Amino acid sequence: GENVEQHPSTLSVQEGDSAVIKCTYSDSASNYFPWYKQELGKGPQLIIDIRSNVGEKKDQRIAVTLNKTAKHFSLHITETQPEDSAVYFCAASTTYIPTFGRGTSLIVHP
Amino acid sequence: GAVVSQHPSWVICKSGTSVKIECRSLDFQATTMFWYRQFPKQSLMLMATSNEGSKATYEQGVEKDKFLINHASLTLSTLTVTSAHPEDSSFYICSARLGADYNEQFFGPGTRLTVL
Repeated sequence: GENVEQHPSTLSVQEGDSAVIKCTYSDSASNYFPWYKQELGKGPQLIIDIRSNVGEKKDQRIAVTLNKTAKHFSLHITETQPEDSAVYFCAASTTYIPTFGRGTSLIVHP
Repeated sequence: GAVVSQHPSWVICKSGTSVKIECRSLDFQATTMFWYRQFPKQSLMLMATSNEGSKATYEQGVEKDKFLINHASLTLSTLTVTSAHPEDSSFYICSARLGADYNEQFFGPGTRLTVL
């Protein structure tokens, strides 16, 4: 089955800095890669996703890149704000059921 | 759009009792819903896939007689934790897909279950 590795487990940045979270996957058949933001005590919220026929996607301060050859994808957050502090999960999907990474706790210091 | 609700948001029960958690898609019909379990500071663990009008598909290691899932309508799926014990205490989250050909899942806010 699919295996998704996510790094780092914790990321601490100063407000205004950029944050990058990286994930690798094992199944070359995976074709959908969503990113979720989970705040404490709440359910995950889809923030951006990318499909295997696209190399990069951007939505305001967040962007995702995908390297199919290397089987890795990354989340980039620019100009971080304290409200970006949360746990971020990447996922990879082949059969419409995603496999999640272990999560990255992002802390943005004011 | 694509809003999923859960009820209750938290519940405390005594050991041996059963607890029902509801998951509703508020503005779309969901033929497929998913139930996840999440332990503190850990990732989401898929428990089962709930299909409207048919039996749920459980992941390996999940007791189907312990975690009863019903998906009687296109907007409602329920998870019943039967004879709950302290080890069942967890954060339970449901999600729904817009349709069979959609990858995107939209998650509910979760239900915190504490079994005393």
